[in-house]
Amino acid sequence: DAKTTQPPSMDCAEGRAANLPCNHSTISGNEYVYWYRQIHSQGPQYIIHGLKNNETNEMASLIITEDRKSSTLILPHATLRDTAVYYCIVRVAGGGSNYKLTFGKGTLLTVNP
Amino acid sequence: GAVVSQHPSRVICKSGTSVKIECRSLDFQATTMFWYRQFPKKSLMLMATSNEGSKATYEQGVEKDKFLINHASLTLSTLTVTSAHPEDSSFYICSALPVASNEKLFFGSGTQLSVL
Repeated sequence: DAKTTQPPSMDCAEGRAANLPCNHSTISGNEYVYWYRQIHSQGPQYIIHGLKNNETNEMASLIITEDRKSSTLILPHATLRDTAVYYCIVRVAGGGSNYKLTFGKGTLLTVNP
Repeated sequence: GAVVSQHPSRVICKSGTSVKIECRSLDFQATTMFWYRQFPKKSLMLMATSNEGSKATYEQGVEKDKFLINHASLTLSTLTVTSAHPEDSSFYICSALPVASNEKLFFGSGTQLSVL
């Protein structure tokens, strides 16, 4: 799976949009971009994933650049409960034993009142 | 949404004893479950992949005789830390992949193991 690069930490004001960048310049054509987050002392939580089109769900939006070498996770209205470590993961599609997630260091997002 | 229940959430044991951690998918079936370990302020490290009805696949450097994994049903996988030592103290997290979907991995809430 391709390597990803994320800033180690970011701050965001409560109520504002949080934009978390991820660089994956070596991504292959069949690799998806996944985002998970981990709130302190809990298991990770799935947020969103995409291949090349922008995606939106009830939690967030995912913007993938046209060359697919980077992406941005957007939390439109950050709340204090969004404070967590956010992981950007690139992986090949497929289930079963092939669904291995390799976690990097992620970005610690701190939402401030 | 799908729920993965992990039990216990916290356990303290004496060195040399064995500890069993259970991971259950409550409202879906999972042929594949994964076990991760996380040290303080570090990222999650995949320990092993558990497939229902077959032997687990361990990542390089993980001792299969020390970390016994059993996946006897489509909703339950267990991790047993045998002859635990203080260096085994860590946060253990399980995850389950629904049979019906390959898109999302659902995680348990983790087990904090402290070996005295």
